[in-house]
Amino acid sequence: KAGVTQTPRYLIKTRGQQVTLSCSPISGHRSVSWYQQTPGQGLQFLFEYFSETQRNKGNFPGRFSGRQFSNSRSEMNVSTLELGDSALYLCASTKSGRRGTGELFFGEGSRLTVL
Amino acid sequence: QKEVEQNSGPLSVPEGAIASLNCTYSDRGSQSFFWYRQYSGKSPELIMFIYSNGDKEDGRFTAQLNKASQYVSLLIRDSQPSDSATYLCASEGGTSYGKLTFGQGTILTVHP
Repeated sequence: KAGVTQTPRYLIKTRGQQVTLSCSPISGHRSVSWYQQTPGQGLQFLFEYFSETQRNKGNFPGRFSGRQFSNSRSEMNVSTLELGDSALYLCASTKSGRRGTGELFFGEGSRLTVL
Repeated sequence: QKEVEQNSGPLSVPEGAIASLNCTYSDRGSQSFFWYRQYSGKSPELIMFIYSNGDKEDGRFTAQLNKASQYVSLLIRDSQPSDSATYLCASEGGTSYGKLTFGQGTILTVHP
């Protein structure tokens, strides 16, 4: 069974640009979450999607957005990039995302560097 | 105050010893707790979860939860060098879909 696939794995952007990251969840998983990981702040929740609906959102500015498609694949977008957006962006999927089921399966992440 | 706090570490134990990792949380509404392991350069992977007060054992791992004290711990018995990683404690609230709140992690090194 294929795991969570994230593309691209590495990317370098400059301030002011925008970026789109893609995530394909494990087959059969309908809930997709996104996290940002930095050495200073650790893992922080960005948002969660289930059946193309955003059910939960973390405390990030509106420059961070996402969406989910009917096949459960998800994308996240960061506009007007800032140096502080440099991070590892992790996508995680789970079957239902029912409350109390925090068994997330993480992808390998997309490492974003903003220059 | 961070919502989930872990003993800062790093923690170093000899091979074969018991490693004890601790975590406290501030949100009394948190209902589920998870321990993830993250090897350097890799993504986190779930190793244990616990919902009820008490102990839960899985092989060499034991998770302990005390909701009154808002305390979660992970014990690793017979520690192996392959257990060397960052261990992340996470909580999930009762009303949060897909959102886990992670601690900063504790770096564990098991030396031969």
